[in-house]
Amino acid sequence: QVHLVESGGGVVQPGTSLRLSCAASGFTFGAYAMHWVRQAPGKGLEWVAVVSSNEGSQYYAESVKGRFTISRDNSRNTLFLQMDSLRGEDTAMYYCAKATGWVAAKSQPIIWGQGTLVAVSS
Amino acid sequence: QSVLIQPPSVSGTPGQSVTISCSGSSSNVGSDTVHWFQQFPGTAPKLLIYTNNQRPSGVPDRFSGSKSGTSASLAISGLQSEDEADYYCAAWDDSQDGVYVFGTGTKVTVL
Repeated sequence: QVHLVESGGGVVQPGTSLRLSCAASGFTFGAYAMHWVRQAPGKGLEWVAVVSSNEGSQYYAESVKGRFTISRDNSRNTLFLQMDSLRGEDTAMYYCAKATGWVAAKSQPIIWGQGTLVAVSS
Repeated sequence: QSVLIQPPSVSGTPGQSVTISCSGSSSNVGSDTVHWFQQFPGTAPKLLIYTNNQRPSGVPDRFSGSKSGTSASLAISGLQSEDEADYYCAAWDDSQDGVYVFGTGTKVTVL
């Protein structure tokens, strides 16, 4: 059974950095692309980024491009999201999700974790 | 700002059928498959429909998806109280070097 557990969220000040982690189990982590999706309080879903199974390709939403970096460690079955230059509008629940296949492009987030909350506030 | 437009809310009585529309463009819905997600308050989204009209194992056949051109729809037949949730469509968008986009979301209320 696929299990995804996000961690690393918290309250941080604008302009600072935070790294989220997503521990995966129940499937061959290294064979699947992985997504990050976020949801601001009371708002809809916003896709953040996706990384291919071998980290060969990444895609980002315009709102985070140049500030966030998605990466993975297949030996530790863990996905990361490095978030730099955080802004108030980055405040959200952050979900990691397993994709449909190994390729990042055209993949879909099909199984989601329960999320970790990030609050950016001074 | 989402590029897939959904009605903010739809409602129906138990047993009725409701439909949620998802309007996109040639760079997203018109050129890629559409997926639908269901989300209950305080919980993570769950995949409801993939590749326009396919249901994952365990999803009741009361839920069905369709796509035509740059629009897609999710239909719920025989509406039940437990269907009250938020629903989102999603698709890849080939503009902007490739991004995944969600719809604006629709709240389904069972009266």
